[in-house]
Amino acid sequence: GESVGLHLPTLSVQEGDNSIINCAYSNSASDYFIWYKQESGKGPQFIIDIRSNMDKRQGQRVTVLLNKTVKHLSLQIAATQPGDSAVYFCAETRLSSGSARQLTFGSGTQLTVLP
Amino acid sequence: DTGVSQNPRHKITKRGQNVTFRCDPISEHNRLYWYRQTLGQGPEFLTYFQNEAQLEKSRLLSDRFSAERPKGSFSTLEIQRTEQGDSAMYLCASSLGGRNEAFFGQGTRLTVV
Repeated sequence: GESVGLHLPTLSVQEGDNSIINCAYSNSASDYFIWYKQESGKGPQFIIDIRSNMDKRQGQRVTVLLNKTVKHLSLQIAATQPGDSAVYFCAETRLSSGSARQLTFGSGTQLTVLP
Repeated sequence: DTGVSQNPRHKITKRGQNVTFRCDPISEHNRLYWYRQTLGQGPEFLTYFQNEAQLEKSRLLSDRFSAERPKGSFSTLEIQRTEQGDSAMYLCASSLGGRNEAFFGQGTRLTVV
């Protein structure tokens, strides 16, 4: 069935280093992807999105890369800060599927920033 | 605060009781979603409203679950005859038609004892 999965459940990085969080998806019909950050006890927070007609998109300190050939998505965080510690989810949807826009989430990667 | 608001933030109930959660979306957002999240997992889609119309329901939404959005603004999610397996975080999100990104509330954490 359709699934969105993450390669690593946990990731620890030194403060100031760059972080790379990976995600694999299996539904080739997916055409829109979002990265969310979720801190403990809070709801997911939108970080950045990308459509399938793009392979890279940059935001403030974050970059999302999309490789449709291998159905792989990554989130790069530059100069990781303690406030970046959280669980990161990738989510996918099919804009062409109609108006629902329901998201399918992966299980998440826990990012821990070490001092 | 103009974000998505959910109440209550926490709810503890005895098995068999009914519970109701409320979600106030971002003003002018015509799309509203309910998701459920269990510990260590990503959110799972439950149901979707466009204005007051409930357009899609997941198979996860059993007959004990009902959601409404009577005036196309706030929404309620009711769970009847709660079971321990209903314990989870219930998340509400909203989005504006024509825009793809959905914004989530803080969630309501339900514990069924």
